[in-house]
Amino acid sequence: QITLKESGPTLVKPTQTLTLTCTFSGFSLSTSGVGVGWIRQPPGKALEWLALIYWDDDKRYSPSLKSRLTITKDTSKNQVVLTMTNMDPVDTATYYCAHRPPDLYYFDSWGQGALVTVSS
Amino acid sequence: DIQMTQSPSSLSASVGDRVTITCRASQSINTYLNWYQQKPGKAPKVLIHAASSLPGGVPSRFTGSGSGTDFTLTISSLQPEDFATYYCQQSYSTYAFGQGTKLEIK
Repeated sequence: QITLKESGPTLVKPTQTLTLTCTFSGFSLSTSGVGVGWIRQPPGKALEWLALIYWDDDKRYSPSLKSRLTITKDTSKNQVVLTMTNMDPVDTATYYCAHRPPDLYYFDSWGQGALVTVSS
Repeated sequence: DIQMTQSPSSLSASVGDRVTITCRASQSINTYLNWYQQKPGKAPKVLIHAASSLPGGVPSRFTGSGSGTDFTLTISSLQPEDFATYYCQQSYSTYAFGQGTKLEIK
């Protein structure tokens, strides 16, 4: 059974850097074809894909946010970390991490989400 | 950058109705198109992947079709648990989502 859980601060100040950790079980990020992605959703708004890291450390970013995002993995700890710089109130959202199955192109398991509020 | 446009943005229907939601990509994405269902306060759940494939456990009343730039999600006979928001997602280049379609009870 695959599980994922997001953790990090619930409140950040404008201009600060957000660091979120996705801790997962039930799969290994060293398995060929596997990926872990981050998706966010502002309150009452649509889903927005942010980033994806693959088993081979290849990384993909949303073009509109690429300059602010960094995604990394720690295979030994079963964790994926997303950092987002220069936070703004418009970045207030629920942030989800999700599992991409080997060699498939969708997210089949999701974390419960973590609400991050950006406010001074 | 491939943009995904869903229509309608909201839809009212009754239990038992057949409903169709469309999704258009700004350029061809072959069949790299997924559909998700999201209920309030919950994470999204995949309904369809690769335009027309149902993952295990998804009811057969959900069908997906299309290729290239135009795609549809059809629910053949709405059930009470189907009232939710639906998102398409392209996985051809990035994993961008459409803006969503909120399906409400009439």
